Amino acid sequence: GENVEQHPSTLSVQEGDSAVIKCTYSDSASNYFPWYKQELGKGPQLIIDIRSNVGEKKDQRIAVTLNKTAKHFSLHITETQPEDSAVYFCAASGELGFGNEKLTFGTGTRLTIIP
Amino acid sequence: KAGVTQTPRYLIKTRGQQVTLSCSPISGHRSVSWYQQTPGQGLQFLFEYFSETQRNKGNFPGRFSGRQFSNSRSEMNVSTLELGDSALYLCASSLGTSGTTDTQYFGPGTRLTVL
Repeated sequence: GENVEQHPSTLSVQEGDSAVIKCTYSDSASNYFPWYKQELGKGPQLIIDIRSNVGEKKDQRIAVTLNKTAKHFSLHITETQPEDSAVYFCAASGELGFGNEKLTFGTGTRLTIIP
Repeated sequence: KAGVTQTPRYLIKTRGQQVTLSCSPISGHRSVSWYQQTPGQGLQFLFEYFSETQRNKGNFPGRFSGRQFSNSRSEMNVSTLELGDSALYLCASSLGTSGTTDTQYFGPGTRLTVL
């Protein structure tokens, strides 16, 4: 089955700086890669996702890049703000084909923005 | 549009008991997936239901079961509870009808504590 590794496990950055979180996956058939943000006491919230036919996607301060050859994808947050502090999870899916909604998650990155 | 709702939000049970958790998906979504989140194992896929049928299943014992109703609402049941079943149980809904993995939206979760 699919295996997703995520690094780093913790990340502290100064407010206004950029943060980068990286993930690798094992199954070359995976074709969908979402990123979720989870705040304390809440469920994961989708912040951005990318499919394998796209190399990069951007939404305001958040961007995701995908390298299918190397089987890794990254989350980039620019101009970080205190409200960006949370746990971020990457995930991969699609290796089972049609109708597969199973997400395999990374282990999470606790991001702390230092004011 | 209302988001994914889960009831109850918190639950305390003792070993050996059974528990039923409920999930109402986003209106129009036909797929409901369940995940278990623990500090040690992270986010793990339990199962997915679409049109009242289990479409995918993760690597959990038979004590974990679920079902989906005609209105797409879903329940999961855990029988003969063990201490290790203490976790946050998350439900995610998606359209489930495209040819690949659809975007999944998570509910706030049910925090189950087994004493």
